[in-house]
Amino acid sequence: GIQVEQSPPDLILQEGANSTLRCNFSDSVNNLQWFHQNPWGQLINLFYIPSGTKQNGRLSATTVATERYSLLYISSSQTTDSGVYFCAVELTGGGSNYKLTFGKGTLLTVNP
Amino acid sequence: GAVVSQHPSWVICKSGTSVKIECRSLDFQATTMFWYRQFPKQSLMLMATSNEGSKATYEQGVEKDKFLINHASLTLSTLTVTSAHPEDSSFYICSARIRGQGTYEQYFGPGTRLTVT
Repeated sequence: GIQVEQSPPDLILQEGANSTLRCNFSDSVNNLQWFHQNPWGQLINLFYIPSGTKQNGRLSATTVATERYSLLYISSSQTTDSGVYFCAVELTGGGSNYKLTFGKGTLLTVNP
Repeated sequence: GAVVSQHPSWVICKSGTSVKIECRSLDFQATTMFWYRQFPKQSLMLMATSNEGSKATYEQGVEKDKFLINHASLTLSTLTVTSAHPEDSSFYICSARIRGQGTYEQYFGPGTRLTVT
């Protein structure tokens, strides 16, 4: 099956710092999503970005599908940004691949 | 828009009993619903995929007789954990894909924390 690797596994920042999270995947994808899992377990959709670049406030994401990676940028980080960030992908072609495969996540801690 | 709810948010049950978890898409019809399981400090693992009106497709290693999935309508899917045991204690999360939108984006419910004593 498809492999999804996220880096770094852990990241500690001071409030106000910027960061870049990376997601590498091993095959062509129909779907790539970034999520933030808050302390209560809720997965919050950040971006649906199988290709291209999107921005939403302090967050932006870029997926280079031909090179099989995606980046999530967090600028001017706040303590409320703390939590686990997941990248998840779905293979092109559907069928038995018609499902999201999650990376192991990046645990972000933003200190005041 | 694209809100998915789950009920209950947490449940404690005794070993040997069954527990039903509901997943609803509140403001859209779902082509497909998915059930995931997450252990502490781990990633999400897909358990099964269900389409309205048809049998669920289970991932390898998931016992279909233990984890019963019913997708009765385009807005409701249920997961029943039968004869629960302590090792079934976990965080269960459902997701849904919007019908007819032409994208593959999934939306997730808030999860249900199951503790089996």
